[in-house]
Amino acid sequence: GQQLNQSPQSMFIQEGEDVSMNCTSSSIFNTWLWYKQDPGEGPVLLIALYKAGELTSNGRLTAQFGITRKDSFLNISASIPSDVGIYFCAGRPGTASKLTFGTGTRLQVTL
Amino acid sequence: DGGITQSPKYLFRKEGQNVTLSCEQNLNHDAMYWYRQDPGQGLRLIYYSQIVNDFQKGDIAEGYSVSREKKESFPLTVTSAQKNPTAFYLCASSMASGRQETQYFGPGTRLLVL
Repeated sequence: GQQLNQSPQSMFIQEGEDVSMNCTSSSIFNTWLWYKQDPGEGPVLLIALYKAGELTSNGRLTAQFGITRKDSFLNISASIPSDVGIYFCAGRPGTASKLTFGTGTRLQVTL
Repeated sequence: DGGITQSPKYLFRKEGQNVTLSCEQNLNHDAMYWYRQDPGQGLRLIYYSQIVNDFQKGDIAEGYSVSREKKESFPLTVTSAQKNPTAFYLCASSMASGRQETQYFGPGTRLLVL
């Protein structure tokens, strides 16, 4: 099965910094989802995007559905220690019903 | 409390043994999914079911079996044919499979081989 290209693979940032990560696909997607996973737990949905160009916020998190429908971005502003975890993107190709997941971005925050 | 429950949290399997992982949801969701997660990798789909008494193979179904006798329950059996079963198993559910489907995940079961 196809996997999305998610970058960066890992990030070490200082508390208070802004974070950006992205996912790209070689094919068109009609849904993008962003999840956060804490160690040993299931992923928790952060933001869902359904329309090209859509920009949606959830507190300090903002995600965008790329205009080409082949990419999506997640930004975290003013990071705090509890932002630590693995962030996954997931997308649904235009002609399929199953989600495809990225390989994750591991975020570590230092004080 | 509405949600998805998975049990047990940890499961140990002996060589040649079949083990069954439980997944229950009280969200009244139609579709349910099983994923496998290995370290440093994304989630890979094992099986999914869009309606009771029906299910389809995902990308890595070999060595696994499922049933969907009730809307709320979607148990996964890891058979002895699965030669590398050590992984974190995640169950998910969604209202319906479709354009605006959003999947919600359970807390996961970690399977270890003795």
